[in-house]
Amino acid sequence: AQSVTQLGSHVSVSEGALVLLRCNYSSSVPPYLFWYVQYPNQGLQLLLKYTSAATLVKGINGFEAEFKKSETSFHLTKPSAHMSDAAEYFCAVRGTSYDKVIFGPGTSLSVIP
Amino acid sequence: DSGVTQTPKHLITATGQRVTLRCSPRSGDLSVYWYQQSLDQGLQFLIQYYNGEERAKGNILERFSAQQFPDLHSELNLSSLELGDSALYFCASSARTSISYNEQFFGPGTRLTVL
Repeated sequence: AQSVTQLGSHVSVSEGALVLLRCNYSSSVPPYLFWYVQYPNQGLQLLLKYTSAATLVKGINGFEAEFKKSETSFHLTKPSAHMSDAAEYFCAVRGTSYDKVIFGPGTSLSVIP
Repeated sequence: DSGVTQTPKHLITATGQRVTLRCSPRSGDLSVYWYQQSLDQGLQFLIQYYNGEERAKGNILERFSAQQFPDLHSELNLSSLELGDSALYFCASSARTSISYNEQFFGPGTRLTVL
């Protein structure tokens, strides 16, 4: 079965510091992986996706993620945090039915000035 | 603005009642997805429609039902409401049926409060 775990329900970083949000997945089919961001009182927005092309995926707002098959991981990083990055971040994997997406529990990112 | 609209934005009702949530997908998108987001369950996929037909089902209760109309808008019907149904309900749309190649665009959500 498909599943996603996100280590750390809350992460705090200082403005300008590295952002690292962890995601590990389990998939019985070749994984397609996604990171979504949810700003307060808004819907989810796709940050980036991995669909079996390059293992290092660049997304919007300076975020990137690296697919590591051996570690079944898809961690999200950003070199320098900005106050506007404060949000909830969700890692997701496609389901065995191509039309489903399985979301992780989310990580709330706080950025400290 | 994702181009997906949802109405109403907020809904407050009582246990045992029935409500209808409405979603209009982005222009041209054929697939509509419904999700429930709650503090204890996280973000759960409920159901997907593609061009008027049910395509995939997730953790949708029998008290819940959905449909997609010829103009592609969709409605999620929740009946015999319980306190535990209080949540944010999101609609998303995509151009094709396979999410593998197409981004899902999320609406702003409907916040349902059951008292």
